[in-house]
Amino acid sequence: GAVVSQHPSWVICKSGTSVKIECRSLDFQATTMFWYRQFPKQSLMLMATSNEGSKATYEQGVEKDKFLINHASLTLSTLTVTSAHPEDSSFYICSARVGTSGNNEQFFGPGTRLTVL
Amino acid sequence: GNSVTQMEGPVTLSEEAFLTINCTYTATGYPSLFWYVQYPGEGLQLLLKATKADDKGSNKGFEATYRKETTSFHLEKGSVQVSDSAVYFCAPSSNSGNTPLVFGKGTRLSVIA
Repeated sequence: GAVVSQHPSWVICKSGTSVKIECRSLDFQATTMFWYRQFPKQSLMLMATSNEGSKATYEQGVEKDKFLINHASLTLSTLTVTSAHPEDSSFYICSARVGTSGNNEQFFGPGTRLTVL
Repeated sequence: GNSVTQMEGPVTLSEEAFLTINCTYTATGYPSLFWYVQYPGEGLQLLLKATKADDKGSNKGFEATYRKETTSFHLEKGSVQVSDSAVYFCAPSSNSGNTPLVFGKGTRLSVIA
């Protein structure tokens, strides 16, 4: 149980295009979803927190107009990288949690590797 | 906010060696403590957790004990395997609302045959 999927697992796009990444909780309802970004051999950097039906809360330094997050249902959140540039190339990982307690376990997706040419 | 300090990697060990990865944390209240593992090219998987002081989490031969007095949650394994090569992340949770896990730099482990 408690599986989180991401699609696509990898994507290559041209500079200036937009890319949408889906994150789904397959067997549970995720009250909250989180998006992280990871550079090679680095830790995970939290980008934003989204609650179903609400606007996402972005971390300082993360451009909300560039990284659009939608959490339309309890099982789906999407991250859209708009007008992508090579510096946006990274490994994006989503995470989902049941309930709103910080002590509840977070389940992580397998990640999406984005390469912008 | 919460923070975590892990020993610097990379750690390189021979197969069947003993592993310790130190982790100390800063958190308010009574957090749960987690160890996650990231295999090459993959997302994070929960390795083990402990929810209160003196609890021991264990899984796949790995163990970690929640030490509130030293704010530590060191990861140990008696005999590592090549398949344990991965990056390990320690993280305290927050019990003050719906805040996400925040990770330290992680510790890269390489086990050689």
